[in-house]
Amino acid sequence: AQRVTQPEKLLSVFKGAPVELKCNYSYSGSPELFWYVQYSRQRLQLLLRHISRESIKGFTADLNKGETSFHLKKPFAQEEDSAMYYCALAGAQKLVFGQGTRLTINP
Amino acid sequence: NAGVTQTPKFQVLKTGQSMTLQCAQDMNHEYMSWYRQDPGMGLRLIHYSVGAGITDQGEVPNGYNVSRSTTEDFPLRLLSAAPSQTSVYFCASSYSSHREAFFGQGTRLTVV
Repeated sequence: AQRVTQPEKLLSVFKGAPVELKCNYSYSGSPELFWYVQYSRQRLQLLLRHISRESIKGFTADLNKGETSFHLKKPFAQEEDSAMYYCALAGAQKLVFGQGTRLTINP
Repeated sequence: NAGVTQTPKFQVLKTGQSMTLQCAQDMNHEYMSWYRQDPGMGLRLIHYSVGAGITDQGEVPNGYNVSRSTTEDFPLRLLSAAPSQTSVYFCASSYSSHREAFFGQGTRLTVV
């Protein structure tokens, strides 16, 4: 079975502080992991995927197969990063999401 | 380019009524899916389709039916609405489950 766990429902940090959103997964095969973001009054959209190994809007995420984690990190948070973040796992035919973390960046 | 279009945006139903949420995409994507979004529960997969004529159940399929007669359309039917189906529903499409998913703007459904 595929399962994604995001342990933090809410995360609040100050502008300029580092941010880490946690994501753990369970899957017996070779997973593909994604981070999606939903800004206020906008559609859910892809932020990044582990295969591309790129940094988007200053965010990075490394797939750790040993710890079955795919944490999202940014060294210096900006106010425009405030949004809902979802970790997602693509298995054989399904794309499943975690519970989501609402990130608030305080000025 | 319209992308993924969901209708309606808002709907109020009485318990026991039926309705169909519409989803259409113009990107020639084979993979389409329906999710419901509830506070603290995240996005939960209801049903998905890997191509026209093929559908399968997701994590929370009970109370919902789908069909995929064309590549473009993937309607979600509520046969007998219940208050527990009050939620925001999202349709998504992609070339496959492993590729970037594009989402509709959502349908906010309230069952009273």
